[in-house]
Amino acid sequence: DAKTTQPPSMDCAEGRAANLPCNHSTISGNEYVYWYRQIHSQGPQYIIHGLKNNETNEMASLIITEDRKSSTLILPHATLRDTAVYYCIVRVPSYGGGADGLTFGKGTHLIIQP
Amino acid sequence: NAGVTQTPKFQVLKTGQSMTLQCAQDMNHEYMSWYRQDPGMGLRLIHYSVGAGITDQGEVPNGYNVSRSTTEDFPLRLLSAAPSQTSVYFCASSSPPRGAYEQYFGPGTRLTVT
Repeated sequence: DAKTTQPPSMDCAEGRAANLPCNHSTISGNEYVYWYRQIHSQGPQYIIHGLKNNETNEMASLIITEDRKSSTLILPHATLRDTAVYYCIVRVPSYGGGADGLTFGKGTHLIIQP
Repeated sequence: NAGVTQTPKFQVLKTGQSMTLQCAQDMNHEYMSWYRQDPGMGLRLIHYSVGAGITDQGEVPNGYNVSRSTTEDFPLRLLSAAPSQTSVYFCASSSPPRGAYEQYFGPGTRLTVT
């Protein structure tokens, strides 16, 4: 899996957009970018994934640069419940199931301020 | 749907004791996995299963056993607990094709071995 680099922590005001960056300069052509988050004392939660096009779902948007060396997760209207550690993962999709497992780095601790 | 459930939520064991961590899912997912999460180490895959009757080892299998007699249940057995097994344990499930990138995690079991 390609290495990712994320800032250790970020603050964002409630109601504003939270933009979480991730660098993955060694990403290979068949690796996807995934984002998960972990709210304190809970299990990780899938947010979104993408290969090269921008993606949007009900939770967030994912912007991947044209060279695919970095990406940004956008929470459009952050709420206090979005305070969590956000993990950016780069890997080839594991169509064999859980064989490869998910490897989380240290992630970004996003704190939403009231 | 209850999703992925884990019991117990908390457990304290003495060195040498054995116990079983329970995991169940009601989403008819084929794939199930066990992870442990230690501070500063991220998630590490212990064992996984791609279907009933099929299990395999992950990154850190020593000291743990699993079985998968039904689609719904995937218990993790600690044979002889050691302080190094103090951790938070997460069970996850997924199903193709979304299971290639989206895993559902349980709330975790916090285990302390003294």
